Amino acid sequence: EPEVTQTPSHQVTQMGQEVILRCVPISNHLYFYWYRQILGQKVEFLVSFYNNEISEKSEIFDDQFSVERPDGSNFTLKIRSTKLEDSAMYFCASSRWDQPQHFGDGTRLSIL
Amino acid sequence: DQQVKQNSPSLSVQEGRISILNCDYTNSMFDYFLWYKKYPAEGPTFLISISSIKDKNEDGRFTVFLNKSAKHLSLHIVPSQPGDSAVYFCAVPVIQGAQKLVFGQGTRLTINP
Repeated sequence: EPEVTQTPSHQVTQMGQEVILRCVPISNHLYFYWYRQILGQKVEFLVSFYNNEISEKSEIFDDQFSVERPDGSNFTLKIRSTKLEDSAMYFCASSRWDQPQHFGDGTRLSIL
Repeated sequence: DQQVKQNSPSLSVQEGRISILNCDYTNSMFDYFLWYKKYPAEGPTFLISISSIKDKNEDGRFTVFLNKSAKHLSLHIVPSQPGDSAVYFCAVPVIQGAQKLVFGQGTRLTINP
């Protein structure tokens, strides 16, 4: 069964540094998402992406965040200047419009 | 944001018995509900869904019940197996230009042998 893959599985970064989290969505999916889960809290929506543009973003997704689909297979989340409170599990998901979202196994981001 | 609530953070059930996980929602306009299962170090995996035009959906050992008047849904697992030990999330797609999922807090289910 096709999977959403995320790299790296764990990223450790100094506060203030830029970080890029990478995702390869399922190949015939057209809708892409990023979610995050801070330890002990709910899974929270960050952003959705369709047709090479953001379709919706949450209040968490401020100017420090950006997403990109640089080629036909990758979908990236960039955090420009990381803060301690950005430490979380970040999940990428993809879907067809009428099907449930499929999630990757996540990237654990640790900000020091 | 408390649109979807799972009030039991954990549940422990004997192997072979029924597990019942509960979820409440606030918006009567929600018309589709999903359950996801999550193992440690893995992402959420879709388990089962239900549309508001139904009050029950069954898939093997898993059944989801929807009570629209109470704004409540439940997931029944019977019989429970050790491999069912995981965190279970209910989720609702909120369509505002694109589907975003709003998750409950999750219930950690432990199946005891």
